[in-house]
Amino acid sequence: NAGVTQTPKFQVLKTGQSMTLQCAQDMNHEYMSWYRQDPGMGLRLIHYSVGAGITDQGEVPNGYNVSRSTTEDFPLRLLSAAPSQTSVYFCASSYDSYTDTQYFGPGTRLTVL
Amino acid sequence: GEDVEQSLFLSVREGDSSVINCTYTDSSSTYLYWYKQEPGAGLQLLTYIFSNMDMKQDQRLTVLLNKKDKHLSLRIADTQTGDSAIYFCAESVLNQGGKLIFGQGTELSVKP
Repeated sequence: NAGVTQTPKFQVLKTGQSMTLQCAQDMNHEYMSWYRQDPGMGLRLIHYSVGAGITDQGEVPNGYNVSRSTTEDFPLRLLSAAPSQTSVYFCASSYDSYTDTQYFGPGTRLTVL
Repeated sequence: GEDVEQSLFLSVREGDSSVINCTYTDSSSTYLYWYKQEPGAGLQLLTYIFSNMDMKQDQRLTVLLNKKDKHLSLRIADTQTGDSAIYFCAESVLNQGGKLIFGQGTELSVKP
């Protein structure tokens, strides 16, 4: 199993540009989520999904969209990037949303100029 | 609302024990986790404890939970230079789809 994979590893955007951060898992996990990590603030939940076709907002959803058309993939879209979205983004997955441990991807480091 | 607090830095000598502390506010938390993050890497689950336990030991790691004070600690015995990393405490929140609330992370520095 590859586990949780994320692409790209690094990205630089200009303000106003759009892009999609990719996340995939091959463990047949139902629950997937996106976090952002900022210095001194730990990780904050952006969006999550409890299964294909079901998504919900986390703590800091503004400026981000998600969809879950398959169990394996959970892309995160930035429609119009802002410097405040400069961060490291982590995708995570688990078998269920409640009792199972979450496995994290290696992260995408995004800089918005 | 939910909140998880950790001290930001801890420095120890190789071979000593390290104790990383965490406090949380949500009394309905069911699982509490410790994650390790090495530079440039994702988060690696170290251990977790169910909220009805007060201690869990796993090789060099000991987790203590004081539910009354909402205090969680991670003790690393015989700390090695390879243990240098950032350690995150996290709680899972009841009835919120498995949402994890993370602390700010404690940077552990192990000096030879």
